[in-house]
Amino acid sequence: QVQLVQSGAEVKKPGASVKVSCKASGYTFTDYYMHWVRRAPGQGLEWMGWIIPNSGDTNYGQKFQGRVTMTRDTSIFTAYMELSSLRSDDTAVYYCARGRGYCSGGSCYSLTADYWGHGTLVTVSS
Amino acid sequence: SYELTQPPSVSVSPGQTARITCSGDILPKQYAYWYQQKPGQAPVLVINKDSERPSGIPERFYGSSSGTTLTLSISGAQPEDEADYHCQSVESSGSWVFGGGTKLTVL
Repeated sequence: QVQLVQSGAEVKKPGASVKVSCKASGYTFTDYYMHWVRRAPGQGLEWMGWIIPNSGDTNYGQKFQGRVTMTRDTSIFTAYMELSSLRSDDTAVYYCARGRGYCSGGSCYSLTADYWGHGTLVTVSS
Repeated sequence: SYELTQPPSVSVSPGQTARITCSGDILPKQYAYWYQQKPGQAPVLVINKDSERPSGIPERFYGSSSGTTLTLSISGAQPEDEADYHCQSVESSGSWVFGGGTKLTVL
């Protein structure tokens, strides 16, 4: 069965970085894009971006460009999301989620996600 | 960039039909999706491409779209349907956009 297992909760100080991992099993890792989505307390879902595990190509949300880096290690079927220059409003549960993707006319798209990780709580506090 | 607007909350009695709306200018151009999220759990896709129900989702979940408004209907809402519901679409850049989420109360 498809599983996305994320790393454990983190507590970070403002200005620090955090790196969250997402280990995939039960499917071919390189056949699906990996999205990262977060939910801050009292807020809705917020998309951060995706990575294509096969190529390493990324598409970051405008709000996070310059602060987020998504990578992958195909040898261990794991995707990573690193967020830098953390602020208190980055406190949130961070999810990885897989989605089918395709490329057309030089651009790539992934429209939705069918399996999600359990989430990783990142707390930013001084 | 586009925005999707949802009501913050919807409340129904058990057995009634719950309707949750999502409005936005992107909706006539792109498919949209609905996710259910219960407290402490990850989101679950309940409606795909405006109106398709993924395997394993009860038939009481129904999606429809008209112009700039998307609607998720839950006929005969059950207490276990209490959750936050999020609509989502995709911009031409490939970026996702989410609505603010709607808390459904069934009591």
